[in-house]
Amino acid sequence: DTEVTQTPKHLVMGMTNKKSLKCEQHMGHRAMYWYKQKAKKPPELMFVYSYEKLSINESVPSRFSPECPNSSLLNLHLHALQPEDSALYLCASSQDPKAGERSNEQFFGPGTRLTVL
Amino acid sequence: AQSVAQPEDQVNVAEGNPLTVKCTYSVSGNPYLFWYVQYPNRGLQFLLKYITGDNLVKGSYGFEAEFNKSQTSFHLKKPSALVSDSALYFCAVRDRRDDKIIFGKGTRLHILP
Repeated sequence: DTEVTQTPKHLVMGMTNKKSLKCEQHMGHRAMYWYKQKAKKPPELMFVYSYEKLSINESVPSRFSPECPNSSLLNLHLHALQPEDSALYLCASSQDPKAGERSNEQFFGPGTRLTVL
Repeated sequence: AQSVAQPEDQVNVAEGNPLTVKCTYSVSGNPYLFWYVQYPNRGLQFLLKYITGDNLVKGSYGFEAEFNKSQTSFHLKKPSALVSDSALYFCAVRDRRDDKIIFGKGTRLHILP
């Protein structure tokens, strides 16, 4: 299985809602990432998990809360979002992220298209 | 700070002609360099990467890229373009000491039938 899956594909939510995005991979990868991508722009890194521990938080607002319950799953919990948070949210994974082995490419999921009303 | 530049927003090429998508980078030390492609409403797909060694890297779908250290460039090339190559292409760089990967702004490749 060489796939990263993301659910849901589309999500529409109000500014007072709480929702979660889910990401799953079964490739044995130990690094997982959340990106935000606006239309016609490059992906912007939000969070990196390495061996299920948060290693990078790119100063993301606290209304986004990541969670890595195990080595195959990555969640992004959403609460009190703003309309400007509407975007494509991409999950990615890569192999063993030990120091000195950062040459591994990332495998991306198809994304969740989020609309905040 | 590391950065990646893709100077062209869009590249138009006739089908069957060679194509080049440009990328230059700025990073301290020796970087890892990547090319990804994104089709509409899809995630990014890995094409190829440069780690070390041979400056010419071959990747998926007939693409290749040439690493040029003196010019700090990593241009993507293909000898003969297909209409199906039309997509958004991202160059990316990763510092060997960092977990972060930085993407260029993207170049839209349009192959004309």
